[in-house]
Amino acid sequence: KQEVTQIPAALSVPEGENLVLNCSFTDSAIYNLQWFRQDPGKGLTSLLLIQSSQREQTSGRLNASLDKSSGRSTLYIAASQPGDSATYLCAVASNDYKLSFGAGTTVTVRA
Amino acid sequence: GAVVSQHPSRVICKSGTSVKIECRSLDFQATTMFWYRQFPKQSLMLMATSNEGSKATYEQGVEKDKFLINHASLTLSTLTVTSAHPEDSSFYICSAPGRGGAEKLFFGSGTQLSVL
Repeated sequence: KQEVTQIPAALSVPEGENLVLNCSFTDSAIYNLQWFRQDPGKGLTSLLLIQSSQREQTSGRLNASLDKSSGRSTLYIAASQPGDSATYLCAVASNDYKLSFGAGTTVTVRA
Repeated sequence: GAVVSQHPSRVICKSGTSVKIECRSLDFQATTMFWYRQFPKQSLMLMATSNEGSKATYEQGVEKDKFLINHASLTLSTLTVTSAHPEDSSFYICSAPGRGGAEKLFFGSGTQLSVL
């Protein structure tokens, strides 16, 4: 069974600082890995998707890396803003499209 | 882009009642939908896979008689929490793969269930 762990569980930084969120998974036989954003009481917003054959993906201030062999992914958010405050979820997809989620990292960016 | 509509977004009910949650794919057909549950401060956990025209597949530890899933059409899947109890209070969310399969998983906005 795939186990996904996210560290740290919570993070508070001043505006402008770069964020580093870590995700690890136990089974390297993945289809892809996705990072989501979850705002309180709301659904999920997909941020980045990395295919199992890829090493990283970038979108604006976001960059995610994937090291499948070591079972790790890192999400970098550059120049954080208060609007980046949310919970960030890492999810690993198996070949049947089922996702295994981490518990999330709750980020607070202080103005 | 493809949208998955989920409602209600929030429901409060008394213990012992049943609650139905609907998940609709608005502009694409979804032969498969996934139902997840999230307890506070915990991961989203897959509960079951809903298959159009056939029985749902439940994950280990999920009571199929308590969480009834119906996928009667290509655009609608429903989750009914029967005889709800306070321990069923949770955030429930559905997702459906679009044309891109796992590359395009669309999520509903979620339902916060509170059982008193």
